[in-house]
Amino acid sequence: DTAVSQTPKYLVTQMGNDKSIKCEQNLGHDTMYWYKQDSKKFLKIMFSYNNKELIINETVPNRFSPKSPDKAHLNLHINSLELGDSAVYFCASSPYFGTNQPQHFGDGTRLSIL
Amino acid sequence: TQLLEQSPQFLSIQEGENLTVYCNSSSVFSSLQWYRQEPGEGPVLLVTVVTGGEVKKLKRLTFQFGDARKDSSLHITAAQPGDTGLYLCAGGYGNKLVFGAGTILRVKS
Repeated sequence: DTAVSQTPKYLVTQMGNDKSIKCEQNLGHDTMYWYKQDSKKFLKIMFSYNNKELIINETVPNRFSPKSPDKAHLNLHINSLELGDSAVYFCASSPYFGTNQPQHFGDGTRLSIL
Repeated sequence: TQLLEQSPQFLSIQEGENLTVYCNSSSVFSSLQWYRQEPGEGPVLLVTVVTGGEVKKLKRLTFQFGDARKDSSLHITAAQPGDTGLYLCAGGYGNKLVFGAGTILRVKS
């Protein structure tokens, strides 16, 4: 069974559209994250939730809205997509909140804006 | 300017050679992690170090955290083609992990 699964794996859409990415973890972890990896492979934190509560919101445009219906799920909705949003988005989870916790990543969602 | 500078950016070596990847900063980190990422997949954790001067070994990989907790290195002995991938260091800074830009390693057989 996949520990951290995100869907879809690929997302190709037009500028201005709204899209969502879903993430689920079956590890029983308390903390979940969204990261953005750009074309140069630089990975940067966007959001972190601990037990459904928003802990980190890293100066991300408010077109990006995360939602955690329960601690096993963290979804990302993006409004009015822009060319600069093209990237690979990774969901991750860790047992607890803390920078020494092992983070388990999904396989990413490659978002391409036309 | 990135908080964590990784070097080299790209490394292409022959099977059997040794190599070292460096992760440097002027800032102090509470912990340091190393991840390996293969194409089309997410990063996979290799190690976490939390104490200044700490050394951890994972088979042919040796990880070291600097005494002042500002830098780290990853040394691979007798590299194999299966070691090919993107190596990322990540430091605990405040309440988040800050990643380096990565080192792309290619091991040729």
